Amino acid sequence: RKEVEQDPGPFNVPEGATVAFNCTYSNSASQSFFWYRQDCRKEPKLLMSVYSSGNEDGRFTAQLNRASQYISLLIRDSKLSDSATYLCVVTRGDQGGKLIFGQGTELSVKP
Amino acid sequence: ETGVTQTPRHLVMGMTNKKSLKCEQHLGHNAMYWYKQSAKKPLELMFVYNFKEQTENNSVPSRFSPECPNSSHLFLHLHTLQPEDSALYLCASSQTQGFGNTIYFGEGSWLTVV
Repeated sequence: RKEVEQDPGPFNVPEGATVAFNCTYSNSASQSFFWYRQDCRKEPKLLMSVYSSGNEDGRFTAQLNRASQYISLLIRDSKLSDSATYLCVVTRGDQGGKLIFGQGTELSVKP
Repeated sequence: ETGVTQTPRHLVMGMTNKKSLKCEQHLGHNAMYWYKQSAKKPLELMFVYNFKEQTENNSVPSRFSPECPNSSHLFLHLHTLQPEDSALYLCASSQTQGFGNTIYFGEGSWLTVV
């Protein structure tokens, strides 16, 4: 079983749609959680950190459920520019903060 | 504009060649990383340097040889590679290795081994 698993995707949605991505992690020593965004043939860039209380940044909302070892990302009012691959990332508390990446979920927003 | 620059951006090399990838960070960070990204696979951590000392080698074959002369520069020396080594190689940096440190990636070097 992969340590970080994401929805396989791809997600194809119309502009204005709301889309949610799910991510589960298997290691209870996971300490910190992030969503990264990677555009086609580009490097990953930090989208947002994920806090236990949940956090929002504009149209993006991230949630963390430590009991279920589950992270989510909600994108409201999707824009064409949101098309990218979204990477779920956790850090291992027992390995000095080592980042573990999920395989990514591809989103394509259509006009 | 990225604070982590990688050269070359694209590299095609034969299996008997020796080449190097270069990474430079302008962020004042002390930790630098090499990651490999193959098609449809998660990013794989290869090496970590923290304050110029290698702190992690993720069972990487010896045909990949990292070098970190100072906290701002990181190299990946390549020799006798295999076609399956063709991938995107990403350099990254963070303030230090550990928690709470956002990691910043370079644009990557696309490597094709023929």
